[in-house]
Amino acid sequence: ELKVEQNPLFLSMQEGKNYTIYCNYSTTSDRLYWYRQDPGKSLESLFVLLSNGAVKQEGRLMASLDTKARLSTLHITAAVHDLSATYFCAVGFIIQGAQKLVFGQGTRLTINP
Amino acid sequence: ETGVTQTPRHLVMGMTNKKSLKCEQHLGHNAMYWYKQSAKKPLELMFVYSLEERVENNSVPSRFSPECPNSSHLFLHLHTLQPEDSALYLCASSQDLLLGGENEQYFGPGTRLTVT
Repeated sequence: ELKVEQNPLFLSMQEGKNYTIYCNYSTTSDRLYWYRQDPGKSLESLFVLLSNGAVKQEGRLMASLDTKARLSTLHITAAVHDLSATYFCAVGFIIQGAQKLVFGQGTRLTINP
Repeated sequence: ETGVTQTPRHLVMGMTNKKSLKCEQHLGHNAMYWYKQSAKKPLELMFVYSLEERVENNSVPSRFSPECPNSSHLFLHLHTLQPEDSALYLCASSQDLLLGGENEQYFGPGTRLTVT
């Protein structure tokens, strides 16, 4: 059974600090997605990582994928309050043209002034 | 309407009721998905439809019955639910991988279901 584990599950940090969220998965895949969810809202796509060594950056967030280690990271640089949310990674498996996503538990990030 | 829409946004139903959740995507995608998000579990994939054909049924109890009449619409029919079925039900859509692209899934706002 595929397992996707995020670490940490809860993270409280101060504005201006850097931190990294880790996503480990147990079965080979080269498709990794990061989503953000605000309280009471749906999931917003952040990054799509489709190959080993892929790195993508958007503002203060940077995501990377190491398929050999089965590890993805989401790095936050100089955090600001607006980044407070729950972040999910998801591993993708293709099925007949569609894709099955298996999600991690989510990391609830709180950024304090 | 743009993106993925879901109705109703909130639903309270008794265990003997029958209700349906509706999802509509305006993105021209041809794969659609139902997910369940409950408080103490990771997001769980329930059903996958590709080109209106069900391609994944993730060991979901028969009290949940999906329907995909065309590539833009997806329903989840509910009957004789249990209180533990209370959750946020999310619909998503994506482009078929054979047509290229990153197959990114776009999510609707969800239906908050409470079973009493």
